[in-house]
Amino acid sequence: AQKITQTQPGMFVQEKEAVTLDCTYDTSDQSYGLFWYKQPSSGEMIFLIYQGSYDEQNATEGRYSLNFQKARKSANLVISASQLGDSAMYFCAMREYGDDKIIFGKGTRLHILP
Amino acid sequence: KAGVTQTPRYLIKTRGQQVTLSCSPISGHRSVSWYQQTPGQGLQFLFEYFSETQRNKGNFPGRFSGRQFSNSRSEMNVSTLELGDSALYLCASSPSSGGGETQYFGPGTRLLVL
Repeated sequence: AQKITQTQPGMFVQEKEAVTLDCTYDTSDQSYGLFWYKQPSSGEMIFLIYQGSYDEQNATEGRYSLNFQKARKSANLVISASQLGDSAMYFCAMREYGDDKIIFGKGTRLHILP
Repeated sequence: KAGVTQTPRYLIKTRGQQVTLSCSPISGHRSVSWYQQTPGQGLQFLFEYFSETQRNKGNFPGRFSGRQFSNSRSEMNVSTLELGDSALYLCASSPSSGGGETQYFGPGTRLLVL
């Protein structure tokens, strides 16, 4: 069964608008971490933001924030004031505590339009 | 602090050959994980090493192997290459293992098997 679901294969957004990238996850563990990574065309996976399952506040890192709704098992990424350089593939991922691997979703390709 | 480095960045091999990829983690990081990324399968976990020991292994055939040295540098080896092994191989490091910590990725090695 798919553990990380990203329902938006691609998105087109006007520059300076806010963007929400959807992510739902499935786990029976109580302890886990949720991540978002950005992958530009160069291929490197760039860490953006992390949310622990016990964190009560939504994580924020600059223009990135994670809308964490634990009961719904949802961890959407919000990018405020999008920029042309935000055009990339975005992956939602989960790491269950005690496990060593990160499980990735299929990704959302984001295109920022000038 | 220097990031994760991977060598070589690009590689072309023919079927039946073997290949060795190298990964140097962030200084102080002791856990190294390897992932394979293909357009069809997405990002898949290969294995994770911590303190020179393989801690976890993904669902890949025995042709894929790895090791970690005392300085935490890791190598991944693929023997008897197949066309389907063409992929981006990503290495990621984190300070320890099993704690749900963020993994930081290198730029990847693009392998093309002809």
